[in-house]
Amino acid sequence: GESVGLHLPTLSVQEGDNSIINCAYSNSASDYFIWYKQESGKGPQFIIDIRSNMDKRQGQRVTVLLNKTVKHLSLQIAATQPGDSAVYFCAENTGGSYIPTFGRGTSLIVHP
Amino acid sequence: GAGVSQSPSNKVTEKGKDVELRCDPISGHTALYWYRQSLGQGLEFLIYFQGNSAPDKSGLPSDRFSAERTGGSVSTLTIQRTQQEDSAVYLCASSPQTGLNTEAFFGQGTRLTVV
Repeated sequence: GESVGLHLPTLSVQEGDNSIINCAYSNSASDYFIWYKQESGKGPQFIIDIRSNMDKRQGQRVTVLLNKTVKHLSLQIAATQPGDSAVYFCAENTGGSYIPTFGRGTSLIVHP
Repeated sequence: GAGVSQSPSNKVTEKGKDVELRCDPISGHTALYWYRQSLGQGLEFLIYFQGNSAPDKSGLPSDRFSAERTGGSVSTLTIQRTQQEDSAVYLCASSPQTGLNTEAFFGQGTRLTVV
């Protein structure tokens, strides 16, 4: 369930499970996307990025999938750990703009 | 330093007072951003500096907000006549911007509380 006062979508998982965090974007002209992780009391930290000429990109334990047809982005975290607990934001850049636009964020809670 | 540094980390001010928030970007980064984050919300763009170009101020919510960047490095965000709705975490980020799309490195933020 949601954390009182935060009004963020929340995903609760058990340690070791795979997590999928979703993001819908609105601008069909967006051509670059980044996932950020924000731990409590800290600034957002880069996780992985993807350009619009790709539909999948993998990093260490993370995979980003991009579906331009439905303007949807997802972040998959394999074997989720308690240290993955944080708020996850997707951000998009539109061609010609250097200013990333951030989504609302999803709170991931990993239970040991 | 190794990362983006912001000061102060916390600031409590009385309604109507002016505040200044400071950002030291990563050395050599030409791009600098200010964002605002209210409790449980996403990041709201405020202003963007790139090299010697005129800043993009399109995100500033009112004329009480202003920012400058001296010598292409340190930036100060000033909020005049603060209001309670200004309470938020103010985040600064810098980017090397060597290509069209590069990641932004964020500081830890300044938590502003207007009482």
